[in-house]
Amino acid sequence: AQSVTQPDIHITVSEGASLELRCNYSYGATPYLFWYVQSPGQGLQLLLKYFSGDTLVQGIKGFEAEFKRSQSSFNLRKPSVHWSDAAEYFCAVAPNQAGTALIFGKGTTLSVSS
Amino acid sequence: EAGVAQSPRYKIIEKRQSVAFWCNPISGHATLYWYQQILGQGPKLLIQFQNNGVVDDSQLPKDRFSAERLKGVDSTLKIQPAKLEDSAVYLCASSLVGDRGYETQYFGPGTRLLVL
Repeated sequence: AQSVTQPDIHITVSEGASLELRCNYSYGATPYLFWYVQSPGQGLQLLLKYFSGDTLVQGIKGFEAEFKRSQSSFNLRKPSVHWSDAAEYFCAVAPNQAGTALIFGKGTTLSVSS
Repeated sequence: EAGVAQSPRYKIIEKRQSVAFWCNPISGHATLYWYQQILGQGPKLLIQFQNNGVVDDSQLPKDRFSAERLKGVDSTLKIQPAKLEDSAVYLCASSLVGDRGYETQYFGPGTRLLVL
């Protein structure tokens, strides 16, 4: 069965420091990969997605993620974190076919210290 | 462009009562999803519609949960009777039909349900 693992439940980063959130997936083939962000009381907002091609993908708000097939990973990075980035981040996968639902990890809560 | 609308935003009920949630997807989006997000977990699919037909309801607890999308636009999710473990955020998402490849899902703000 497909699954997504986000090993870090909670991460605290100083404002201005770099960030990396880890995501590993279990799937027979290369799935579609996503990162979503959820601020308190808000719905999920798509940060970026990977379907195929260049393994380094750029997203909104200065985020990027790198797909590594050999490690079944899709880690999210940001070079300099802002206080407004404090939120919950979800990695998600979908089987490599059209119109299928997402399978989410349990999320990583990011706190930003000043 | 208007996003996915959901109501109510919050609901508190007693166990064994019934409750209904409403979702209006983005205009033109034929695919609609209901997800359940329990505190501390990622969202989990309950049911997926394409137009007014059910694509996947394998994880819907059908003894107490029901959902409909009669005219292929807005949708209602109902719980009857509610249990304590149904306390969660119920998220609605919509997307275009994925016949050109995977289509991005757009999420509404969710309905936060507390069952006492």
